[in-house]
Amino acid sequence: DVKVTQSSRYLVKRTGEKVFLECVQDMDHENMFWYRQDPGLGLRLIYFSYDVKMKEKGDIPEGYSVSREKKERFSLILESASTNQTSMYLCASSLWGRAGANVLTFGAGSRLTVL
Amino acid sequence: AQTVTQSQPEMSVQEAETVTLSCTYDTSESNYYLFWYKQPPSRQMILVIRQEAYKQQNATENRFSVNFQKAAKSFSLKISDSQLGDTAMYFCAFMKIGGGADGLTFGKGTHLIIQP
Repeated sequence: DVKVTQSSRYLVKRTGEKVFLECVQDMDHENMFWYRQDPGLGLRLIYFSYDVKMKEKGDIPEGYSVSREKKERFSLILESASTNQTSMYLCASSLWGRAGANVLTFGAGSRLTVL
Repeated sequence: AQTVTQSQPEMSVQEAETVTLSCTYDTSESNYYLFWYKQPPSRQMILVIRQEAYKQQNATENRFSVNFQKAAKSFSLKISDSQLGDTAMYFCAFMKIGGGADGLTFGKGTHLIIQP
């Protein structure tokens, strides 16, 4: 089974801090995603990456950046955390371009609280 | 752009009952995938069922089945003989084929509670 691991389940940070959320997948998936999940808003795409060093903005990229230096690792960075970034962050990965390849495998999520 | 609407924010049924979660979507694409994902409390999101738009036959996975009405752009999920472990958030999602890695749109979710 594909495994997507998010390094931190719960984080508490202060306003203005730089925050790193790490995600690693172990099945050689090309695509990796960062979503934000808020009650009543569903999942909103922040950034995705379809290859090493390649990234594209999703629906809500403001205040976030990402890094993908290795195929298995996709990091979400909050340069200066703000209270409105308190949320659940979900990482996901998927294959690309093959039959049955469009299913996302999710990590367990990282719940970030910014004080 | 695609939109996915789940009109039921929360539902509650008794164990062993059958429950149907609704999902409608809006798209101009003719070929696409539709998904139902399940997120149990404090656990990771997993795929429940997937439907390819060009297939007329409704997908089925054990107690889970869909009613896919392409003309009506409707994709409901039926859970038969519901169990306590079915308690979860359920998200309907749309993906256009060949649209790029960002071609996945989620609904806002339905919180399903199975009562003992």
